[in-house]
Amino acid sequence: KAGVTQTPRYLIKTRGQQVTLSCSPISGHRSVSWYQQTPGQGLQFLFEYFSETQRNKGNFPGRFSGRQFSNSRSEMNVSTLELGDSALYLCASSLDNRSNQPQHFGDGTRLSIL
Amino acid sequence: KQEVTQIPAALSVPEGENLVLNCSFTDSAIYNLQWFRQDPGKGLTSLLLIQSSQREQTSGRLNASLDKSSGRSTLYIAASQPGDSATYLCAVHRAGKSTFGDGTTLTVKP
Repeated sequence: KAGVTQTPRYLIKTRGQQVTLSCSPISGHRSVSWYQQTPGQGLQFLFEYFSETQRNKGNFPGRFSGRQFSNSRSEMNVSTLELGDSALYLCASSLDNRSNQPQHFGDGTRLSIL
Repeated sequence: KQEVTQIPAALSVPEGENLVLNCSFTDSAIYNLQWFRQDPGKGLTSLLLIQSSQREQTSGRLNASLDKSSGRSTLYIAASQPGDSATYLCAVHRAGKSTFGDGTTLTVKP
């Protein structure tokens, strides 16, 4: 069974641009969560999607948005990029949003802002 | 607001030693706690998941315990090997959101 796939693996952008990251969950998984990992702030929760609906949202500005498609694939968009957005963005999927389901993570997209 | 703390931040041990990593959390109203391993430049690999109603889980040389009332979890690694070198993260999960600690970076010297 294929794991969580995130594309692209690496991305370089400049300030002010926008970016879209993609996450394909494990087949059959319907819940997808996004996290930002930086050396200074650690791993921080961005948002969670289940059945194409955003169920939970972390404390990030509105420049960070996402969506989930009917096949459970998810995209995350960041607009008006800032230097501080440089980070490893991780996607996790689980079977559903019930408590007894473990989260499975992809290898992430490393975003560098110049 | 949930806060997760992991102690120590870094640990270096000789091969073969048994070790314990600690994780504490401030809000005991959690659904589950999950331990992960992260290798440099990689994503997170799930090691063990403990439901809030459970006390411990075991997988091979790993044993994780959970004391929800005191807000603590430990990850015990037996007979450590150089391949165990990585950053270990614990995360508590509630209402569709996981809160992570900053991790313990483990180095196992041959």
